[in-house]
Amino acid sequence: GNSVTQMEGPVTLSEEAFLTINCTYTATGYPSLFWYVQYPGEGLQLLLKATKADDKGSNKGFEATYRKETTSFHLEKGSVQVSDSAVYFCALRAPWTDYQLIWGAGTKLIIKP
Amino acid sequence: DARVTQTPRHKVTEMGQEVTMRCQPILGHNTVFWYRQTMMQGLELLAYFRNRAPLDDSGMPKDRFSAEMPDATLATLKIQPSEPRDSAVYFCASGLDKKGTHNEQFFGPGTRLTVL
Repeated sequence: GNSVTQMEGPVTLSEEAFLTINCTYTATGYPSLFWYVQYPGEGLQLLLKATKADDKGSNKGFEATYRKETTSFHLEKGSVQVSDSAVYFCALRAPWTDYQLIWGAGTKLIIKP
Repeated sequence: DARVTQTPRHKVTEMGQEVTMRCQPILGHNTVFWYRQTMMQGLELLAYFRNRAPLDDSGMPKDRFSAEMPDATLATLKIQPSEPRDSAVYFCASGLDKKGTHNEQFFGPGTRLTVL
């Protein structure tokens, strides 16, 4: 079946450090891939997306590249800020399926000043 | 700025009481999702609707939970009777299921439910 696996958190970094949050998936065909972010006390919001292999999604300094060969969609940022502290969710939508998203467990990111 | 709204934002109730949570999806969206978030289970899909019709509620305990869309501007999630294990944050999300929209889901701020 379809599934998403994220690295376990929390991930704790100092301000201006380089960030990687790993996400791998299992799906048939070419799913669409997403990263959502949840700030404290809020709902989730879309951070970036990629809909085909080798696409790079980017937003707010975050990037993720759709790697079909490694079935991965790792989230990266070159220099994190305290305001990036949040929970990050990786998700996929399998092709030819309903509208539902398959979610990862979420990775909590803590950035210390 | 179109947003999904949810009411109430917080609810504290006693075991056995009925709880109703409401959601107003973004105008023009044709899909609505109900999720439950807990520390232990993470984000769970409870139900989803397309064009007001329930397409999947397999994640929902049928004996006590019910979800409806009386009209295109209102989705409700009811728990009767409520139990302490129902304590969680309940999110509503809406989206536009249309070719080319990449299926983004827009989340509301959530209802934090505490059942004593």
